[in-house]
Amino acid sequence: SQKIEQNSEALNIQEGKTATLTCNYTNYSPAYLQWYRQDPGRGPVFLLLIRENEKEKRKERLKVTFDTTLKQSLFHITASQPADSATYLCALDMEYGNKLVFGAGTILRVKS
Amino acid sequence: GAVVSQHPSWVICKSGTSVKIECRSLDFQATTMFWYRQFPKQSLMLMATSNEGSKATYEQGVEKDKFLINHASLTLSTLTVTSAHPEDSSFYICSARDMIAVETQYFGPGTRLLVL
Repeated sequence: SQKIEQNSEALNIQEGKTATLTCNYTNYSPAYLQWYRQDPGRGPVFLLLIRENEKEKRKERLKVTFDTTLKQSLFHITASQPADSATYLCALDMEYGNKLVFGAGTILRVKS
Repeated sequence: GAVVSQHPSWVICKSGTSVKIECRSLDFQATTMFWYRQFPKQSLMLMATSNEGSKATYEQGVEKDKFLINHASLTLSTLTVTSAHPEDSSFYICSARDMIAVETQYFGPGTRLLVL
């Protein structure tokens, strides 16, 4: 069966440390993989997109890796801040922007 | 840029009534809009894809007669939940795809629906 798995438990880290979130998938062959941030009671906000032929993508304090052999993406936030606390969703892009399949998300809590 | 709005942000209605939710792209044109539903602590589930000027495409298991979608212009799509029941209570989120950056979907703030 097709599955997308993200860390089911909340990730608690200290301010200034690097947060690493994992997204694993099975029985999918996505063209792209996207990461979103979602705050409580709000819609997701797009963060980064990485294509299947890209190994790594960076944007300011964010870094995403994509390993199509392992079927895994890692999402890193360096120098984390309490304002980074939110739920982070990975989404497999199955049809070049036409269909996103979301994971359940990982809650990140950054403590000062 | 790339702002998507939804209205209303929350709605409470009685069982059996119909509720309309609007999704607007404020500063860009969107030929394609998407409607998602999210239950507490669960992932977003795509309900349907809405293309301007044509019929919506519904995902498997989503009743098209219950969830009516209209995409009459390049900046507006509406979702009408007909004869709503308590099990329809959920968080409904729309997204719009930019005509230029086609891989990216921009999401609205969501509409919380509670059916009593």
